[in-house]
Amino acid sequence: DSGVTQTPKHLITATGQRVTLRCSPRSGDLSVYWYQQSLDQGLQFLIQYYNGEERAKGNILERFSAQQFPDLHSELNLSSLELGDSALYFCASSMGPTNSPLHFGNGTRLTVT
Amino acid sequence: DAKTTQPNSMESNEEEPVHLPCNHSTISGTDYIHWYRQLPSQGPEYVIHGLTSNVNNRMASLAIAEDRKSSTLILHRATLRDAAVYYCILRDVQGAQKLVFGQGTRLTINP
Repeated sequence: DSGVTQTPKHLITATGQRVTLRCSPRSGDLSVYWYQQSLDQGLQFLIQYYNGEERAKGNILERFSAQQFPDLHSELNLSSLELGDSALYFCASSMGPTNSPLHFGNGTRLTVT
Repeated sequence: DAKTTQPNSMESNEEEPVHLPCNHSTISGTDYIHWYRQLPSQGPEYVIHGLTSNVNNRMASLAIAEDRKSSTLILHRATLRDAAVYYCILRDVQGAQKLVFGQGTRLTINP
């Protein structure tokens, strides 16, 4: 058990809808990262927060947004969903911003129909 | 982000050592070498990391070439549970702390 909790585990929704994925980091970790994993793209870095502030941005679409709250949990919002957004979404946390390892949750599987 | 090159797949037998290679010829002085693995239906899991010297922990050993242009992850006695995709990643500690994953090596362990 990595200590990172992601909810929900599975989400099925229709095209055009909006969903929110939630992540609770390990106790004491200040950095949160979001990754997307699809079959054809592998693990893609989306965005990183450190102590509530955005720290790095990757290949995150404009339809996607995220934030980290004062209690350090994070939410990833996906809107105007398309079939191609179907993927596993992983959250990871680390003590940060240092070289400390990332600890990943078990992901949210999003299916867009 | 500096790039790494790994074989797409490797196969080994249970209870034998496994050496997973990684080439990173464009590594910079501030890049740490990190290894993660992803078991089926799970998130990636940290294995080990190092800068210049060889490193050991309870999961594996990391052997780093003297010129740092390559490294090898060593699993001393593979078990079926070690079947996973192994990712070798360079992490620049001076920049953002994100990890950029490549395609990794899919390791199959035969009973």
